[in-house]
Amino acid sequence: GQSLEQPSEVTAVEGAIVQINCTYQTSGFYGLSWYQQHDGGAPTFLSYNALDGLEETGRFSSFLSRSDSYGYLLLQELQMKDSASYFCAYPGSARQLTFGSGTQLTVLP
Amino acid sequence: NAGVTQTPKFQVLKTGQSMTLQCAQDMNHEYMSWYRQDPGMGLRLIHYSVGAGITDQGEVPNGYNVSRSTTEDFPLRLLSAAPSQTSVYFCATGTYQTGGNTIYFGEGSWLTVV
Repeated sequence: GQSLEQPSEVTAVEGAIVQINCTYQTSGFYGLSWYQQHDGGAPTFLSYNALDGLEETGRFSSFLSRSDSYGYLLLQELQMKDSASYFCAYPGSARQLTFGSGTQLTVLP
Repeated sequence: NAGVTQTPKFQVLKTGQSMTLQCAQDMNHEYMSWYRQDPGMGLRLIHYSVGAGITDQGEVPNGYNVSRSTTEDFPLRLLSAAPSQTSVYFCATGTYQTGGNTIYFGEGSWLTVV
């Protein structure tokens, strides 16, 4: 079947680095995306990996290994405002996204 | 530029009532979709469309209908509301014209069925 697995919760302190892992199982693969969602808000796009390797966007980076069916989101220099839920997702052939269940990140002062 | 607009933002329905959640976009995106998100859960795809006149089912389509008569609008109809449909509903759009895989979400519609 098709699925994505990610940890349900991660806690880190302000200024630290945190990595959120995602493993997936899918019959067709069109890349791995990451979305951020604050409480009561809409998901917003963070990053997308179509190929193996690291994509960097400011303090956020995302990594993909297609041979391992694995990816991660790396958040550096954590700030309080980074406390949110983070979802990995993969698209189908028509861009319809399947989401993981989300990782709740809590940043402590 | 409004982006993706969902209405209503909040709605309370009685079991058995029907209603339509509206989604409008002004970005000329081909792709539109509806997700539901239950408390503490991820987003589950209900229906999606790759262009006007074309719709397809997602992971949880039962109890919902959609149509796509124009590029801009993608309404979601609840035929006979049930308490299990209490959720937050998100409309999301995307384009095939550029590279990448970004989809853009509306602000959500909070639906309670009593």
